[in-house]
Amino acid sequence: GAVVSQHPSWVICKSGTSVKIECRSLDFQATTMFWYRQFPKQSLMLMATSNEGSKATYEQGVEKDKFLINHASLTLSTLTVTSAHPEDSSFYICSGPVGATDTQYFGPGTRLTVL
Amino acid sequence: SQQGEEDPQALSIQEGENATMNCSYKTSINNLQWYRQNSGRGLVHLILIRSNEREKHSGRLRVTLDTSKKSSSLLITASRAADTASYFCATAPNSGGSNYKLTFGKGTLLTVNP
Repeated sequence: GAVVSQHPSWVICKSGTSVKIECRSLDFQATTMFWYRQFPKQSLMLMATSNEGSKATYEQGVEKDKFLINHASLTLSTLTVTSAHPEDSSFYICSGPVGATDTQYFGPGTRLTVL
Repeated sequence: SQQGEEDPQALSIQEGENATMNCSYKTSINNLQWYRQNSGRGLVHLILIRSNEREKHSGRLRVTLDTSKKSSSLLITASRAADTASYFCATAPNSGGSNYKLTFGKGTLLTVNP
């Protein structure tokens, strides 16, 4: 299957700082990637759709000014959590759909802890 | 919103037994997918079944889909300790493109005891 990587795998930061999470498709090109958030013992919630070369599409209730998404190339999408607060602590996972199979391939996730 | 609802929320079985998890959803779908997530890790795609299919097999996995009841089941046969994980169903309203979005259920935590 296709490979998606994320960096970093975990990060601890102080409240008020910004954190950037990278999502790379290693063996396929992705004009679209998806960012999900997962709180402990809960399911994944779609945050936004990242579109290469254009603005991201955010789900209802997700603050676009707080969660900045940049999809500058066909293999890289970044999520920046700006002015992070403890309530932003979560597991962030990206995914990329692959062609006609409709299968999505997920990155290993990034654990964000805001102190 | 959570489209899929899995049950049971947690399932504990002995190695060698079969495990069955169910998923119900509310709106029309193009396809339904099952994923596995080991603790603190990303998701691994297991199987995809389209709305015009009723049953699909992959190794020890068997998935059924009943669109009239808006439900699906995942059967893992001859379970192994390594199958211990959370299992999620996810539904897709469309096929492909930037409008393609997955809505995940709450998941079933499967524990297979050696």
